[in-house]
Amino acid sequence: AQSVSQHNHHVILSEAASLELGCNYSYGGTVNLFWYVQYPGQHLQLLLKYFSGDPLVKGIKGFEAEFIKSKFSFNLRKPSVQWSDTAEYFCAVSTSGTYKYIFGTGTRLKVLA
Amino acid sequence: NAGVTQTPKFRILKIGQSMTLQCTQDMNHNYMYWYRQDPGMGLKLIYYSVGAGITDKGEVPNGYNVSRSTTEDFPLRLELAAPSQTSVYFCASSYSKRGANEQFFGPGTRLTVL
Repeated sequence: AQSVSQHNHHVILSEAASLELGCNYSYGGTVNLFWYVQYPGQHLQLLLKYFSGDPLVKGIKGFEAEFIKSKFSFNLRKPSVQWSDTAEYFCAVSTSGTYKYIFGTGTRLKVLA
Repeated sequence: NAGVTQTPKFRILKIGQSMTLQCTQDMNHNYMYWYRQDPGMGLKLIYYSVGAGITDKGEVPNGYNVSRSTTEDFPLRLELAAPSQTSVYFCASSYSKRGANEQFFGPGTRLTVL
């Protein structure tokens, strides 16, 4: 069965630190990859997505992610986090020919001012 | 555009009661979804629909029912509520065309069953 793993469940960083959140998926075919963010008390919003082309994808608020097909990974990065990045981050995968998503369990990020 | 709207925002139910969670989208999306979000568990798909009149089960459909009589509306029905259904419920919608299937989420309904 397809699955998505986010290995970091809780991350605490100081402002200006660099961020990398891991995401690995299990599926051998063509995938679409997403990172969503959920700020406290709000609904999920799309940060960035990968469908095809350049494996380095840039999203909103300075986030980027790199698709490494050989590693089945789609890690999220940000060079310098801000207090306002405190949120929960979800990686999601959909596979070619279907419009169902598989979500990871999420990573709670807390940024200390 | 209002996007995806959900009502109510909060609800407390007693065991055995029933209720319907409403979801409406004004983006003319074909695809609609219901998820539940439990702490540390991510989002689990309950039901989804690929168009009016067509619905299918997701990962955790037991205890729920859906209908899709129009493109805009996708209500989720809980029959005989149980404490295990205490959760936050999110409705989402997406375009149907390939390569543009980003999902748009509603604000959620926080349900407590006591």
